[in-house]
Amino acid sequence: GAVVSQHPSWVICKSGTSVKIECRSLDFQATTMFWYRQFPKQSLMLMATSNEGSKATYEQGVEKDKFLINHASLTLSTLTVTSAHPEDSSFYICSARAGRGQETQYFGPGTRLLVL
Amino acid sequence: GDSVTQMEGPVTLSEEAFLTINCTYTATGYPSLFWYVQYPGEGLQLLLKATKADDKGSNKGFEATYRKETTSFHLEKGSVQVSDSAVYFCALGDYKLSFGAGTTVTVRA
Repeated sequence: GAVVSQHPSWVICKSGTSVKIECRSLDFQATTMFWYRQFPKQSLMLMATSNEGSKATYEQGVEKDKFLINHASLTLSTLTVTSAHPEDSSFYICSARAGRGQETQYFGPGTRLLVL
Repeated sequence: GDSVTQMEGPVTLSEEAFLTINCTYTATGYPSLFWYVQYPGEGLQLLLKATKADDKGSNKGFEATYRKETTSFHLEKGSVQVSDSAVYFCALGDYKLSFGAGTTVTVRA
């Protein structure tokens, strides 16, 4: 149980294009999903928190218009990197939390984005 | 704010050696504590957790005890295998997680 998937696992795109990454909780309903960014050999940096049906809360320094997050259902959240540039290349990881009283976050396998 | 300080790596061990990765925390209140493991090219997997003081989390031969008096949550395994080679992250939180820097462990046959 508690499986989180991400799609795609790998994406290569040209500079200036937009990329959408999906995060799904496969066997539970996720009231909250988190999006992280991880640079090589570094820890995870929380980008934003999204609750189903409401606007995402972004961490300081993360551009809302650059990283669009939608959490339209209890099993799906999407992160769209708009007008991607080479500096957006990174490993993006989502996690999902079942709900109040469920403190454990379950992580997706990650999406590696390379912007040329 | 809440934070985690984790032992710096990399750590290189021989198979069947004893592994300890130190983790200490600073927090208001008593948040849950976690160890996550990340294999190359993959996301994070929950290894074990503890939700209150003196709780011991255990999984796959790994153990960690929530020590309030020393504000620590050290990870231990008595006999490591090559397949334990990974990056280990200590984390705390009941909503948002704060992660340590990660410790790379390499186990040699």
